[in-house]
Amino acid sequence: DAKTTQPPSMDCAEGRAANLPCNHSTISGNEYVYWYRQIHSQGPQYIIHGLKNNETNEMASLIITEDRKSSTLILPHATLRDTAVYYCIVRPASGGSYIPTFGRGTSLIVHP
Amino acid sequence: GAVVSQHPSRVICKSGTSVKIECRSLDFQATTMFWYRQFPKQSLMLMATSNEGSKATYEQGVEKDKFLINHASLTLSTLTVTSAHPEDSSFYICSASRQGAIKLYGYTFGSGTRLTVV
Repeated sequence: DAKTTQPPSMDCAEGRAANLPCNHSTISGNEYVYWYRQIHSQGPQYIIHGLKNNETNEMASLIITEDRKSSTLILPHATLRDTAVYYCIVRPASGGSYIPTFGRGTSLIVHP
Repeated sequence: GAVVSQHPSRVICKSGTSVKIECRSLDFQATTMFWYRQFPKQSLMLMATSNEGSKATYEQGVEKDKFLINHASLTLSTLTVTSAHPEDSSFYICSASRQGAIKLYGYTFGSGTRLTVV
């Protein structure tokens, strides 16, 4: 598995954009970048994923650098409910026997 | 989408008793489910991989006789914590992936079960 490195914590003002970085310098060509978040006392929730191109959905945007060694999850207008631990994971495209494993993630605190 | 239901969400039991946690895939079939344990302020730690119709695969250090996993159908996996002790108190989470939809949805997680052993 390619490993990921994330800052342990970040904070953001409500209504502002939250930019969460992730380093995955050993990612290989067929591995996707997935982002999940875990709100306190809940199971992880899928946010977004990408391979090479930037992606956007109703929750967030994902910016992947051209060399794919890092990515940034963007919450364009953070709300208090976005306070959670955010996990960046890389996984192979085939996925048949892949087991999702989690690092420490980034604890994002959105304050008023 | 892919929905995974986990029950109960919270349970308190006496030391020495057993507790069963259920994980159901509601709108898809899951040949493989995963069970995680999470202690306060720590990340999710994989306990075992549950395979439908066969024995579970346990991670190193996880006692298979203490954490019994049964995956008797394509939509249900259960984790039974036997002879629970206070150190088993933790947040237990299951996960499953919809076959053919991993690229679309990744893995779907249950809402977790908070086990407190008193």
